[in-house]
Amino acid sequence: QSALTQPASVSGSPGQSITISCTGTSSDGFGYDLVSWYQHHPGKAPKLVISDVSNRPSGVSNRFSGSKSGNTASLTISGLQPEDEADYYCSSFRGSSTLYVFGTGTKVTVL
Amino acid sequence: EVQLVESGGGLVQPGGSLRLSCAASGFTFSSRAMSWVRQAPGKGLEWVSLISSSGDSAHHADSVTGRFTISRDNSKSALFLQLNSLRVEDTAVYYCAREVVVGRAFDIWGQGTMVTVSS
Repeated sequence: QSALTQPASVSGSPGQSITISCTGTSSDGFGYDLVSWYQHHPGKAPKLVISDVSNRPSGVSNRFSGSKSGNTASLTISGLQPEDEADYYCSSFRGSSTLYVFGTGTKVTVL
Repeated sequence: EVQLVESGGGLVQPGGSLRLSCAASGFTFSSRAMSWVRQAPGKGLEWVSLISSSGDSAHHADSVTGRFTISRDNSKSALFLQLNSLRVEDTAVYYCAREVVVGRAFDIWGQGTMVTVSS
């Protein structure tokens, strides 16, 4: 199973907004609206920032928001801060033999 | 504090076996489905296995089916992953992760344990 497609890198200045895309196919389960996003600082545990396309878990900054159109999901980080510099991964629940598929990952750099 | 702590990683030769453990604390372990997710050096995340809250249902990625087995001991709040017939491409950091109550995502992750398969 191929991974979902994300841009390798996205950058922005502090205070700016950036958007990370995540593209899959109809077999990747995007129709279930079960797309999630994770922030991963290398060497640390990944952190859930968005679930079910646009649901923000308790404790996650409201600067993080998610959306989806067709087979492309997006994560927007507004008011970019230095601590947002990390790798970000999308994931979709496929419901088939391989239940979950992750994206290729996007490195966010705060200039 | 909700916490997941993995252990059991190490260096193993191709064809060898290893058993990973994940100790859970701070929540009712028996009420949550659990997964293993791995990350090979310089690569992205890859889902490996999932087990239901009761342990009566398990699923594995096609890449590990027949070689890896996920299990759990709810009496000890522990999750396991038995890795057999290991290949060089199984080299990765292995994370245990808790599935959310409603929906399909992982809301708590451990720090990971490194598995290196090399001769």
